Amino acid sequence: GPKVLQIPSHQIIDMGQMVTLNCDPVSNHLYFYWYKQILGQQMEFLVNFYNGKVMEKSKLFKDQFSVERPDGSYFTLKIQPTALEDSAVYFCASSHGTGDSGNTLYFGEGSRLIVV
Amino acid sequence: GQQVQQSPASLVLQEGENAELQCNFSTSLNSMQWFYQRPGGSLVSLFYNPSGTKHSGRLTSTTVIKERRSSLHISSSQTTDSGTYLCALERGGNKLTFGIGTRVLVRP
Repeated sequence: GPKVLQIPSHQIIDMGQMVTLNCDPVSNHLYFYWYKQILGQQMEFLVNFYNGKVMEKSKLFKDQFSVERPDGSYFTLKIQPTALEDSAVYFCASSHGTGDSGNTLYFGEGSRLIVV
Repeated sequence: GQQVQQSPASLVLQEGENAELQCNFSTSLNSMQWFYQRPGGSLVSLFYNPSGTKHSGRLTSTTVIKERRSSLHISSSQTTDSGTYLCALERGGNKLTFGIGTRVLVRP
């Protein structure tokens, strides 16, 4: 099926440093998302992105977070500066966004971030 | 309270047994999606099912909107079915609200 690729798969970073998580969405998809999952807890929505803009963000999407997709390359989530509570697995997803099954979200394998 | 509740929290099956996983939601929705989360964490989309019944191999999903529930039926379970099954409701903007999941272990 359609594949969403995420880089890196794992990263350990010192608190206060910047981290960028990269996502290569499905090629013809138009809508992009980031979700966060703390170990043992449910997956939670962070942000969705369409046509170069953030459409909606949750209260988990702190001021230290930002997303962009410059020139149709990777869809990125940047955290600057990082905090201990940012340790989690971050999942990128994409959808075509039109039609019935066009709203189906396809997820990447996740980027496991550990802030120490 | 939680908008999406899944039951049971965990399930142990003997290979070959069937299982029914439930998802109840406390709010209106546009659609329901079921995912399988591998033990390593990655998610696989199983069904996009806003209403009615859909089949895929040994899996069947049934969503009844007016009763605010969706179910996932696994028939003739296999050890490779072990993992966590997540349901997620979509209320608009493709923003998904996930349940906590049902952990399934299928013993050989």
